[in-house]
This record gives sequence, C-alpha cells and structure tokens, in this order.
Amino acid sequence: GQQLNQSPQSMFIQEGEDVSMNCTSSSIFNTWLWYKQDPGEGPVLLIALYKAGELTSNGRLTAQFGITRKDSFLNISASIPSDVGIYFCAGQLNTGANSKLTFGKGITLSVRP
Amino acid sequence: NAGVMQNPRHLVRRRGQEARLRCSPMKGHSHVYWYRQLPEEGLKFMVYLQKENIIDESGMPKERFSAEFPKEGPSILRIQQVVRGDSAAYFCASSPGMATQHFGDGTRLSIL
Repeated sequence: GQQLNQSPQSMFIQEGEDVSMNCTSSSIFNTWLWYKQDPGEGPVLLIALYKAGELTSNGRLTAQFGITRKDSFLNISASIPSDVGIYFCAGQLNTGANSKLTFGKGITLSVRP
Repeated sequence: NAGVMQNPRHLVRRRGQEARLRCSPMKGHSHVYWYRQLPEEGLKFMVYLQKENIIDESGMPKERFSAEFPKEGPSILRIQQVVRGDSAAYFCASSPGMATQHFGDGTRLSIL
C-alpha cells in the first residue's frame, strides 16, 4: 500500500534549537495531519491542515500544507526535552467512504539537554 | 471526557489461538478505524466501521481477520488462528464523522 515519505529516520538536536521535518507523497491529499507518538502510547494529534497553502501554528509548532497537495512540513521552534518522540505525518483524502489515514514511517527526534 | 479506550493493553497468544481486541470510541463518536503498527513502522490502515456497518475494509487481510462495531458495545477486531506475523501493536481511532481521528493507546499483541 501507499506510504508517505519521511526522512531521515532519526534526528538529533540540541535543546533550544529549531527543527524542520518534511513529508512527501506521490499522490495528493485533501487533509494533512501531524501526530506525535511516545513509547507505549497512541499517536496524539499535533496539527491538522485542511487547505492547500495553509500555514497553522500550535504553540511552538508550525505546519504547512504544500500548494501541490503532495507535501507538508512541520517546524518545532526552541526545542525542549519533552519534544522527544516519534513524529508521523498522515494524509487523508476524506471523500465519502475514503477517510482512512495514510502514514509515513515517522521521524524519531532526540533532544540533547 | 474519556478518550478512546482499548483493552487489553497487552495480549499474549499462542499460535493457532484467537485474539480479540476491543475498542470503545470517544463519547459521541460513531466512526471507528483500526490500524496496525509494526516495530519502527508507521500505522497501516486496516478497516473503517460505522455503527453496524463496515465502510472500508481495504486494509484487512483476506483471511483470519474480522471486525465489527455493534449497535451496543465496543468495536471488536478478531484474529483467528494467530501466527507469529500477527505480532504488532493494534490501534483504534474514532471520530464523530469525517473529522479528525483520535487514537487510543493500542493493544500490543505478542504471539508465542
């Protein structure tokens, strides 16, 4: 099945630094979402994007829905230790019966204090 | 304000046994989705259900796997005659309609 592309698999940054993550797809989506997963838990929604070109912020997080509808990025500013986790992008067509999420493989973020 | 509840959190089965995973959606949510996650992988869609109906089962294996969401009670993902390859984390998500999906904390299935 289709999967979104997220790379690199792991990122290591210093506390206080900004970090950007990109997500690309070979096909278009109508909704892009970013989730964070901590060990032993389920994914938690960070940001949802519903319109091509949309730029949305949630505290220190900013995400954009690419104008081609085939990509999205997430930026975390002034990182802190609790930002550690796995960040997944997900795309959704959201048309009638087709409302499943297609996920990337995730990026594991480590933050050095 | 309970979130999506999944149980059990951990389930151990021997090869050939049956596994039943339960999911209670958030209050007011009538749409349920099941996803499977292998180690170091993203979540893979399995099935989408509304009350008493399967809407999309394009991600479900053709054999041994079934899902239901009855009028009363939780959604059930059932795996018959489990094999080692079924070992994974199974996540349920719910939504009030075609809106944002909220996830439970999953069931970790281990096959001996």
